[in-house]
Amino acid sequence: AQSVAQPEDQVNVAEGNPLTVKCTYSVSGNPYLFWYVQYPNRGLQFLLKYITGDNLVKGSYGFEAEFNKSQTSFHLKKPSALVSDSALYFCAVRDIDDYKLSFGAGTTVTVRA
Amino acid sequence: EPEVTQTPSHQVTQMGQEVILRCVPISNHLYFYWYRQILGQKVEFLVSFYNNEISEKSEIFDDQFSVERPDGSNFTLKIRSTKLEDSAMYFCASDGGVSTDTQYFGPGTRLTVL
Repeated sequence: AQSVAQPEDQVNVAEGNPLTVKCTYSVSGNPYLFWYVQYPNRGLQFLLKYITGDNLVKGSYGFEAEFNKSQTSFHLKKPSALVSDSALYFCAVRDIDDYKLSFGAGTTVTVRA
Repeated sequence: EPEVTQTPSHQVTQMGQEVILRCVPISNHLYFYWYRQILGQKVEFLVSFYNNEISEKSEIFDDQFSVERPDGSNFTLKIRSTKLEDSAMYFCASDGGVSTDTQYFGPGTRLTVL
């Protein structure tokens, strides 16, 4: 069975400050890890994914995430947050032998001006 | 850029009625999915569909649910007799059929059962 935990319901940061959204996962085999963002009344938009290779993955809108196998984590980061980054962020995992995604509960990010 | 589309954006129905939610996946994709998100809860997998048949379904996907690809472009989710607890946002997704692929999601259909 695969699962994802996002330990923080909400993250609040000031514009220009670094943003981190935490995610830990559990899978039976090797994980494929994804981050999606959801703006109000919109669908899930893909940000980035880790499949294999370099542990630091770069994605859309200046976001990056670091895969840490020993800590089973895949935290999302942005060096300098923008007000427009305010949204709901979902971490998701897919087992190497599976196709469905398992999502975390989501983290609401609020970036204040 | 190709995208997944869904109609309608909002569906209101009475308990016990049948609803059909429609999706047009990205045209060269091979694997199709339905997920749902009950208000305030996490996104949950319902069903995956490949080569004109269900490849996997969750415990949520009981006999009240069915999926179909009636033509070369549409992918539908039917709920035969809706219950209050079916009220949720339903997302369609598609990918190229390789497990490393990114699933691309549609904007969702908000289903409200009264």
